[in-house]
Amino acid sequence: NAGVTQTPKFQVLKTGQSMTLQCAQDMNHEYMSWYRQDPGMGLRLIHYSVGAGITDQGEVPNGYNVSRSTTEDFPLRLLSAAPSQTSVYFCASSPLGTDFDNYGYTFGSGTRLTVV
Amino acid sequence: AQRVTQPEKLLSVFKGAPVELKCNYSYSGSPELFWYVQYSRQRLQLLLRHISRESIKGFTADLNKGETSFHLKKPFAQEEDSAMYYCALRRGSTLGRLYFGRGTQLTVWP
Repeated sequence: NAGVTQTPKFQVLKTGQSMTLQCAQDMNHEYMSWYRQDPGMGLRLIHYSVGAGITDQGEVPNGYNVSRSTTEDFPLRLLSAAPSQTSVYFCASSPLGTDFDNYGYTFGSGTRLTVV
Repeated sequence: AQRVTQPEKLLSVFKGAPVELKCNYSYSGSPELFWYVQYSRQRLQLLLRHISRESIKGFTADLNKGETSFHLKKPFAQEEDSAMYYCALRRGSTLGRLYFGRGTQLTVWP
């Protein structure tokens, strides 16, 4: 099992550019989410999805879009990058229901994004 | 609403000393609490879940509903325990969603 795979691992963008962070999981998890990790701020939820075709906003959704066309993939799109979006981005997936209690989240290895 | 508070951003102890990482929460319902750990340059991983009442790597955590706390404890810290620790809460009604604290960076000195 590959678990949760994030690409790319590192990215530098210029202000105003757009890009997509990829996240794929092979565990048939219903729930997928994107977090950003900033020093002193912990993990903040950007968007999440409870299944294909269903997405919802988290705490800090502005400037980001998501879609969930398949169970496996949950890409995060930066529409017009800003320096404030410089961060480490983590994708996480989990089963729902009682299996969540046993296994919790599986995290990807992260994408370190710098916007200049 | 719900909130997870980790009052210490940084915590340093010497090897062999006891360590306690504090986590307090606010939530009117029955929460599910978790501890996640991130070692240097590694992905976050689940350390403990309150419902299992287990000990992982010598760490334990007890849910105290009266004090709304879920502190993480280890009687004898090791250098390899140095990491970022996050406390997280799930509301019973929220499918899969976790609310994280801001994290505590633990450093264990030799």
